[in-house]
Amino acid sequence: GAGVSQSPSNKVTEKGKDVELRCDPISGHTALYWYRQSLGQGLEFLIYFQGNSAPDKSGLPSDRFSAERTGGSVSTLTIQRTQQEDSAVYLCASSLNRASGNTIYFGEGSWLTVV
Amino acid sequence: DQQVKQNSPSLSVQEGRISILNCDYTNSMFDYFLWYKKYPAEGPTFLISISSIKDKNEDGRFTVFLNKSAKHLSLHIVPSQPGDSAVYFCAASVHSDDKIIFGKGTRLHILP
Repeated sequence: GAGVSQSPSNKVTEKGKDVELRCDPISGHTALYWYRQSLGQGLEFLIYFQGNSAPDKSGLPSDRFSAERTGGSVSTLTIQRTQQEDSAVYLCASSLNRASGNTIYFGEGSWLTVV
Repeated sequence: DQQVKQNSPSLSVQEGRISILNCDYTNSMFDYFLWYKKYPAEGPTFLISISSIKDKNEDGRFTVFLNKSAKHLSLHIVPSQPGDSAVYFCAASVHSDDKIIFGKGTRLHILP
């Protein structure tokens, strides 16, 4: 498809389990972001990948969160030992490069519920 | 500490009138600003942007104004239409850094 694709679209998991969320960015986009939106909250920055540079992990809330981007394309966000406060929609976004003025394009999100 | 602030969680505007959504920022290094619109159960979609070298950018019914000295920007929608009812996010980035920081959003209700 032409847009950012995320999977799964919905995930219910038990507290303490690990989850993996996947993001396929728009083809050719060098920058990839993960954000999350908890109920009633804004878009919280988690992590940012730009080309071959070291990722900006400054938004990851704890060491239970990690993300990888393989081959400069697909990214996986992993949450270990999930907690109820991790329940949120996790949004991935990508952008072409700095010359595009940093306009980023979002996927539809992965809705995570920890029970 | 919030670098991008949208102090109004919600706003109601009569159809046909002007909607004005406000945003303040604290980081003087920000030089690129964006507005996104989000419907329920969908990802945010890009609406309009402005570079710090400009103080106004217009696209159809949407105009963004930037006041650098006040570290304030606003989005004007005129005339407001029912389909404009959504959550609007203000965002900013430092061009050399590229990371985009979002505000908490303002929910706009267009009243019939």
